[in-house]
Amino acid sequence: SQELEQSPQSLIVQEGKNLTINCTSSKTLYGLYWYKQKYGEGLIFLMMLQKGGEEKSHEKITAKLDEKKQQSSLHITASQPSHAGIYLCGAVLVGSQGNLIFGKGTKLSVKP
Amino acid sequence: DSGVTQTPKHLITATGQRVTLRCSPRSGDLSVYWYQQSLDQGLQFLIQYYNGEERAKGNILERFSAQQFPDLHSELNLSSLELGDSALYFCASSVSGPNNSPLHFGNGTRLTVT
Repeated sequence: SQELEQSPQSLIVQEGKNLTINCTSSKTLYGLYWYKQKYGEGLIFLMMLQKGGEEKSHEKITAKLDEKKQQSSLHITASQPSHAGIYLCGAVLVGSQGNLIFGKGTKLSVKP
Repeated sequence: DSGVTQTPKHLITATGQRVTLRCSPRSGDLSVYWYQQSLDQGLQFLIQYYNGEERAKGNILERFSAQQFPDLHSELNLSSLELGDSALYFCASSVSGPNNSPLHFGNGTRLTVT
C-alpha cells in the first residue's frame, strides 16, 4: 500500500474557485514537502514543512502540517489557469532511511 | 530553472542495451538523488549519493548502478534494458539530506525502450 496517500487523485475547478489537496501518511513523518509538476517536466519546489502545526504561504498557495494526524493540506485561493499541474507531496518517514518518499500526485485542471 | 542539469533530455534505445544518464547538481549541493517516474508506480526513489559516497538505496534494480564523481556530477547506468524500464528519470540535488534541505529537481531524461 502507498505510504503517502493524496486526495483527490484529480480535480477540475473553475477559475477563481478555492481548492484543497490532502496528503496523509501511514507513518510518523519528519518533514513534508510540496512540489508542483507540469506534465513531462521537472518538479518545482513549493514549500517545506517541518514542525507540527506549521503553516506556510507562497502567493495564493498555503500549506499546513498537522503532525498529530500525520497529514498535510495544500490550499489554493482564487485558482488561476497557471495553477494547473500535478501536485506531489513528499515526506521523510520513519523507516524510510531518511529518503524522500512521494505520493502519487493530484492532477489539477483549472477551467478559464 | 532549478540549477540541476540532466542530459540527454530524450533517449530511445532497444531492449538489452545499456545507457548512461548524466546529472550536474546545483552549485554547492553535495547530495544527488535519482528517481524513476512511471504512470503506474509514480515517483520512486532509486539511490542517493553524498559527496561521492553512496548514502541510501531505494527500489533500484541490480541492472542499474550509479556513481558520483569528485566534481559532484552523477551518472545513472541502466543495463540489459527491458520494456518496463521506459520511464522518466529524474536527478535531484540538495545541500544536505532531505530532513532539512529541499530537493531541487532537474527536468528529467525520458527513456523509451523499444
